[in-house]
Amino acid sequence: GQNIDQPTEMTATEGAIVQINCTYQTSGFNGLFWYQQHAGEAPTFLSYNVLDGLEEKGRFSSFLSRSKGYSYLLLKELQMKDSASYLCAVSDSNYQLIWGAGTKLIIKP
Amino acid sequence: DGGITQSPKYLFRKEGQNVTLSCEQNLNHDAMYWYRQDPGQGLRLIYYSQIVNDFQKGDIAEGYSVSREKKESFPLTVTSAQKNPTAFYLCASSTPRDGFNQPQHFGDGTRLSIL
Repeated sequence: GQNIDQPTEMTATEGAIVQINCTYQTSGFNGLFWYQQHAGEAPTFLSYNVLDGLEEKGRFSSFLSRSKGYSYLLLKELQMKDSASYLCAVSDSNYQLIWGAGTKLIIKP
Repeated sequence: DGGITQSPKYLFRKEGQNVTLSCEQNLNHDAMYWYRQDPGQGLRLIYYSQIVNDFQKGDIAEGYSVSREKKESFPLTVTSAQKNPTAFYLCASSTPRDGFNQPQHFGDGTRLSIL
């Protein structure tokens, strides 16, 4: 079967750095997406990785290792507004997105 | 500004009733999707459409129906056959460009509850 695993919840301190991991087992791989979702709102696109390595975009970076079936989202200089759920999604062999359950990130002052 | 509009934001369904959730986009996207989100679970695909007048079942299509008569619109009907409809419903769209892996853009969602 297809499976995406993420931690359910993480807590971090304002100004710190946090890494949210995602491991996947899917039938085929055509890229991995990270989305941010504030409570009761729509998910918004953060990043896309299809090749191994690190993609940096301001305070957010995303890493992919296809051989390990592993990705992480790195958030630096955390702000209170970063409190949200972070969703990992893998595009499978049919280009359909398989979604993880999301990681709820709680930022404390 | 371009975007995806879902309505209503909140919807209540009586037993035995069909209800229709609206999704309209002005992004000129070819593909549209309906997802269901339940607490503690990932988004699950209900139906998707890659072109007007064509749509495909997703993983949990039973008890739902859709139509795609216009590029801009992709309404979802939750029928009385769907016994557990309480959930957050999200509509998304994307456009194939250099392949199919373009990010999906989401509406603000409709929260459906049973009366």
